[in-house]
Amino acid sequence: AQSVTQPDIHITVSEGASLELRCNYSYGATPYLFWYVQSPGQGLQLLLKYFSGDTLVQGIKGFEAEFKRSQSSFNLRKPSVHWSDAAEYFCAVQQNTGFQKLVFGTGTRLLVSP
Amino acid sequence: DTEVTQTPKHLVMGMTNKKSLKCEQHMGHRAMYWYKQKAKKPPELMFVYSYEKLSINESVPSRFSPECPNSSLLNLHLHALQPEDSALYLCASSQIVGQGSGYTFGSGTRLTVV
Repeated sequence: AQSVTQPDIHITVSEGASLELRCNYSYGATPYLFWYVQSPGQGLQLLLKYFSGDTLVQGIKGFEAEFKRSQSSFNLRKPSVHWSDAAEYFCAVQQNTGFQKLVFGTGTRLLVSP
Repeated sequence: DTEVTQTPKHLVMGMTNKKSLKCEQHMGHRAMYWYKQKAKKPPELMFVYSYEKLSINESVPSRFSPECPNSSLLNLHLHALQPEDSALYLCASSQIVGQGSGYTFGSGTRLTVV
């Protein structure tokens, strides 16, 4: 079965510093890959997605993610974090044949310090 | 319109009550989903509707009853819930079932069972 691992439960970053959130997946083939962000008590907003092609994907709010097949990773990055980026970030995968549910990682809570 | 609208935003109900959650989208998406999210946990899939037909039921207790009256609406009928059913209930939609189309999530209904 496919699975998603986000090894960092919490990450604290100073405002203006760079950010990298890790995501590893376990699946036989390259699935579709997503990053979502969730502010407290809110729904999930899609930041970016990878289907195929260029392994560096640009998203909204200045985020980008890089797909590395050899490492089964899809890490999220941002060059300069703003206080408003504090939220829960979920990596998710979906099989790319037929219908398969969207499987979420356990999430990483980002805290931004002044 | 690029949103999924969920009502109500908050709901408190007793264990003997009957209530319904409503979800609406006007993006022409033909797949709609209900997710349950407990605090500090990732969303968990409950139901999937594809072209107004129930495609997947993730072994959800019968006290949760989904309904898809048309391609834009998705309801979740609640009856005889337990306190452990208290959670954020998220609705989502996508263009095509599976195939990596990405999900658009609503902001959720915060349900408290007393």
